[in-house]
Amino acid sequence: AQKVTQAQTEISVVEKEDVTLDCVYETRDTTYYLFWYKQPPSGELVFLIRRNSFDEQNEISGRYSWNFQKSTSSFNFTITASQVVDSAVYFCALSEVTTSGTYKYIFGTGTRLKVLA
Amino acid sequence: EAEVAQSPRYKITEKSQAVAFWCDPISGHATLYWYRQILGQGPELLVQFQDESVVDDSQLPKDRFSAERLKGVDSTLKIQPAELGDSAMYLCASSLRTGRLNTEAFFGQGTRLTVV
Repeated sequence: AQKVTQAQTEISVVEKEDVTLDCVYETRDTTYYLFWYKQPPSGELVFLIRRNSFDEQNEISGRYSWNFQKSTSSFNFTITASQVVDSAVYFCALSEVTTSGTYKYIFGTGTRLKVLA
Repeated sequence: EAEVAQSPRYKITEKSQAVAFWCDPISGHATLYWYRQILGQGPELLVQFQDESVVDDSQLPKDRFSAERLKGVDSTLKIQPAELGDSAMYLCASSLRTGRLNTEAFFGQGTRLTVV
């Protein structure tokens, strides 16, 4: 069965520190997709990145970087030089095709990041 | 910038009353999702539409919840009667249907429901 584990419930860092949010997933499919979303206090889930299972190339976008390793079923997210505005709950999600041919998303329980000034 | 619209943002209702939420997805998005997020947890899928058809409602409590997307555009989620345990954030999301490529889902700001 699909499962996404975010073992870190809450992380606190001081501004400008680097921080890594862990995500471990379980799936029996060979084709699947992984996502990271940010949920600020306003409640909306903001899409950050999508990664296909057949593309293990790591990605960097500004202060954000993602490390995808199929061998360990992990898709970790690093924020470099954290800022107070990065404070939010971050969710990792997995999707795979269903029997009806559509995609179903499974979310982890989230990691609350607090960046202190 | 296109976005998923939801209303209302907040809703307080008494136990056993009926409540309804509305969602307007991004134009052109064939797939629409309703998720429920209990405080401190991740979103959980309630129902998924492809155009006007339900493709997954396995986690929808059908004795009290119903959802429709009559013309394949906007959608309504209804709870009747509401119970205390229904207090949560209800999130609507939409995504493109692009064949075998899975695109990301875009979420609305959600409706925070409090049942008293």
